[in-house]
Amino acid sequence: AQTVTQSQPEMSVQEAETVTLSCTYDTSESNYYLFWYKQPPSRQMILVIRQEAYKQQNATENRFSVNFQKAAKSFSLKISDSQLGDTAMYFCAFLEADEKLTFGTGTRLTIIP
Amino acid sequence: GAVVSQHPSWVICKSGTSVKIECRSLDFQATTMFWYRQFPKQSLMLMATSNEGSKATYEQGVEKDKFLINHASLTLSTLTVTSAHPEDSSFYICSTMTSGGAWETQYFGPGTRLLVL
Repeated sequence: AQTVTQSQPEMSVQEAETVTLSCTYDTSESNYYLFWYKQPPSRQMILVIRQEAYKQQNATENRFSVNFQKAAKSFSLKISDSQLGDTAMYFCAFLEADEKLTFGTGTRLTIIP
Repeated sequence: GAVVSQHPSWVICKSGTSVKIECRSLDFQATTMFWYRQFPKQSLMLMATSNEGSKATYEQGVEKDKFLINHASLTLSTLTVTSAHPEDSSFYICSTMTSGGAWETQYFGPGTRLLVL
């Protein structure tokens, strides 16, 4: 079974600063997908960014970018110019074809005004 | 991304009653829907995979007779918690996967908070 590890249960950063959330995973497959989901206090799960493993280029979505290190099985999320609205739980998730989505345990991120 | 709704957003019921939760995909046809359960301060746990027109596939440890899933159309899946008990109190979230295009991406509903007294 695949495992996804988020080693930072909680993090906090000043508004406008940059923060990086870490995620590692374990798999023997070469083709898979990785995701970061955000769960704000409303508890609505929101897709932040996704990465296809066969793509070497790191995905970016505005202030959000990832550092995908396939050999190291690492998939960190960088949030630049952090905003108060970024306060949320962030879940890293892993998906292989025809398999279920596997979530990490989450990182609670607090943006301090 | 796709739009998914859930109804109700929260429900309080007495122990022993059954509760039905609806999950709708509003802007696409969802051949596959997923039902998750989330306890406070924990991650999402997959309960079952719902396929339109066929029986749901339940994860190990999830009682299929307790959590009835029906996916009768491409836009609606329902989860019925039968004879609910306080330990069933939780946050239930559905997600959908499109029938074409970005199959690998799941879009989530806003969740249903269930409290069993």
